[in-house]
Amino acid sequence: EDQVTQSPEALRLQEGESSSLNCSYTVSGLRGLFWYRQDPGKGPEFLFTLYSAGEEKEKERLKATLTKKESFLHITAPKPEDSATYLCAVQAIGTASKLTFGTGTRLQVTL
Amino acid sequence: NAGVTQTPKFQVLKTGQSMTLQCAQDMNHNSMYWYRQDPGMGLRLIYYSASEGTTDKGEVPNGYNVSRLNKREFSLRLESAAPSQTSVYFCASTRGVGYTFGSGTRLTVV
Repeated sequence: EDQVTQSPEALRLQEGESSSLNCSYTVSGLRGLFWYRQDPGKGPEFLFTLYSAGEEKEKERLKATLTKKESFLHITAPKPEDSATYLCAVQAIGTASKLTFGTGTRLQVTL
Repeated sequence: NAGVTQTPKFQVLKTGQSMTLQCAQDMNHNSMYWYRQDPGMGLRLIYYSASEGTTDKGEVPNGYNVSRLNKREFSLRLESAAPSQTSVYFCASTRGVGYTFGSGTRLTVV
């Protein structure tokens, strides 16, 4: 059974204070690992897809990395508008594109 | 540029009532999904449709039925609502890798 565990559950940062979110996973055969951002009252919004160990993707202050067992979402010099819940999900090979999600990390960035 | 549209956005039902949640996508995606999101549980797959004319159970299908009406539309039906079905429901679609989500339906069963 595919599993995704995210840590920490919640994270409070001051503006400019860099940190990382962790996503540990077990999957029979990884087709892709996904990061989503979810704002309160809205649906998840796609951020990144990573396909193989060693791959990195960047977007503004966010950088996602992937190893064979985990992924990190690095947030550099965050701003209050980065406050959201960040979700990690895995897609296994041969599963009709089904995603298995973690429970997310709630990030709050304060001034 | 609508993406995935869900209706209604909010609904309150009494125990035992039935209702259908509607979902439509305009991106010509083959696969569509229904998830529910509960505090501390993450997003859990209820049903999915890999292509028009097919539907399959996900992780938590009990108490739900689905219909893939055509390539655009995928509906979720609660035949006899229970308080345990109080949740936020999300529809999503994909062409193969990565989903586009709707904005959700917040359902309360009293």
